[in-house]
Order: sequence, then structure tokens, then C-alpha cells
Amino acid sequence: NAGVTQTPKFQVLKTGQSMTLQCAQDMNHNSMYWYRQDPGMGLRLIYYSASEGTTDKGEVPNGYNVSRLNKREFSLRLESAAPSQTSVYFCASSVQEGDTQYFGPGTRLTVL
Amino acid sequence: DAKTTQPNSMESNEEEPVHLPCNHSTISGTDYIHWYRQLPSQGPEYVIHGLTSNVNNRMASLAIAEDRKSSTLILHRATLRDAAVYYCILRDVYMIYNQGGKLIFGQGTELSVKP
Repeated sequence: NAGVTQTPKFQVLKTGQSMTLQCAQDMNHNSMYWYRQDPGMGLRLIYYSASEGTTDKGEVPNGYNVSRLNKREFSLRLESAAPSQTSVYFCASSVQEGDTQYFGPGTRLTVL
Repeated sequence: DAKTTQPNSMESNEEEPVHLPCNHSTISGTDYIHWYRQLPSQGPEYVIHGLTSNVNNRMASLAIAEDRKSSTLILHRATLRDAAVYYCILRDVYMIYNQGGKLIFGQGTELSVKP
């Protein structure tokens, strides 16, 4: 039981490049989330998916898109990366909205 | 959202108890008190949560003041592995579904444990 997995672990992009961060969970959870964490700060919610087939914006959605591919997978896409998107990105899942969230190990992204 | 206030940092000695305080003077009657922690270079992990009564689990205990304006996370015997940032988070049981179930993280308390 791997829990929440994220790929890649590290990524360096140039301004304007695009990429997709992958997240998968094997706990049969309905809800999934994407957060970002900037140095010295707490996590902020980017997007979430309350259940398969639904996605909604969090508090910092600008510059990102998401896809809930199936119940297991929730991807985060940066269409045109900017230096302000340099951050650590965490994916999380929970049985339902409002339940305990389980986090992945994070993806460390640097945009030059 | 009701706010929480935590000390920026605390130190502890290994194998001694640690009491991590959290103030939440504007807590509402429907706010649950949650604690998560984040070990270095890892994602946050759930520790414990409660509403009014003290709670215990295998990781920690949560002591909630009678007026619920403050709470304390208790690690009974700190180990080096407990060195982490500890976040005290309030979650309104009625607002959760309007906010997408998001966790609102503050700055947290950075706990260091000395051997």
C-alpha cells in the first residue's frame, strides 16, 4: 500500500515551458487536492476534486489546470511556467471532503 | 475563518514530554481542532483532532481548555523523529463542504529535539 505517490520528485523548468505533475493514490479515496508550499510558509490549496468527475478552484488557482483522470489519479498542469511558480507541490487525498488528508512526498519545482 | 496562534519554535530534550500550545480565542462551537505535522522534506501528516474532550491516540494527546480558546498537543516522550513543524488547524464542520475540505495552514511551531 503505497498511499499517495507523486512524480517527478524534482523538476527544473525554464520560463514559458509546460509540464504536468502526476499524483496517484491507492487508498480508494474520493477526494484529492493539490497544494503548494513556498519557503517559510504554510501550504495553500491550488485545486481540489471532491469526487471523480469534479474539480474546483482553491485559493491560488491562477496559472494551473487540473485533470481528475480517474478515481486514483489527479494531475496538475502548468501551461506556461513562471518563476513565481517555483515551489514545493503536494498532492493529498481523503475518503471524503473534510476527512483526514493524506499527503504525498512532494515535487520540488524550480522555474528559471 | 477562526485563526490560530502558535509559537514559532520550541526545543525539547529526547525522551522528555513536549507540550505544544495553540491559541484560538475566536473558535466557534462547530470548529474541530486538528493537528498535523510536517517532517523535514516530507508532506504533512495527520496527528490528532478533537472537539471538546481530551483525545489520545498512539502518536499524541490533545488537551482542550474548558472554554476551548486554547489547546495543547502533548508528545509524551519526544524522539529525534518528532522534530518537525507542527500545525494547529481549525475546521468548521459546517463550512468544510463549502471550502472544498481545504486545510488552512498557518506558520506552525518548529520543534527541535536534542539528544
